[in-house]
Amino acid sequence: KQEVTQIPAALSVPEGENLVLNCSFTDSAIYNLQWFRQDPGKGLTSLLLIQSSQREQTSGRLNASLDKSSGRSTLYIAASQPGDSATYLCAVDGNKLVFGAGTILRVKS
Amino acid sequence: GAVVSQHPSWVICKSGTSVKIECRSLDFQATTMFWYRQFPKQSLMLMATSNEGSKATYEQGVEKDKFLINHASLTLSTLTVTSAHPEDSSFYICSAREARANTGELFFGEGSRLTVL
Repeated sequence: KQEVTQIPAALSVPEGENLVLNCSFTDSAIYNLQWFRQDPGKGLTSLLLIQSSQREQTSGRLNASLDKSSGRSTLYIAASQPGDSATYLCAVDGNKLVFGAGTILRVKS
Repeated sequence: GAVVSQHPSWVICKSGTSVKIECRSLDFQATTMFWYRQFPKQSLMLMATSNEGSKATYEQGVEKDKFLINHASLTLSTLTVTSAHPEDSSFYICSAREARANTGELFFGEGSRLTVL
């Protein structure tokens, strides 16, 4: 059974800091891994999708890496802004999508 | 990116009534849609996989007679919570995978918040 763990559970940083969110998974037999953002009371916004054959993906200030053999992914956010405050979810896609518990990020202005 | 729409976005109902939630892929065809449930401050838990033209596949512990899923077309899946009770109050989110795409990317609806009184 796939298990996905996200560390830290919560993070509070001053504006402008670079930060790293971590995701680990137990079963490396995956098709892809996705990072999502969820604002309070809202649905999910897809941030980055990394195929199992890829090592990383970049979009603007976001960079996600994947090390399938070790079961790890990181989401790097550069020059954080207050608007980045949200819950960030990592999800691993084998036959079905399994989510981590999320990291609650607060960027202080 | 592709758009998935859910309706209603929120609903309040009395205990014992049934509530239907719709999930539509607006600009793509989805042979498979997924229904998730999210309790406050918790992550998403997969309830069932909805397959167009066939029966849904339910996760362990999810009552299929309680949560009826219908995927009648390539753009619409519905979740009906039958005889709802207060413990069914939750945030329900659907997602869809584009039939023709090979990326495997899932697109999510905005969610439907159900409150059962």
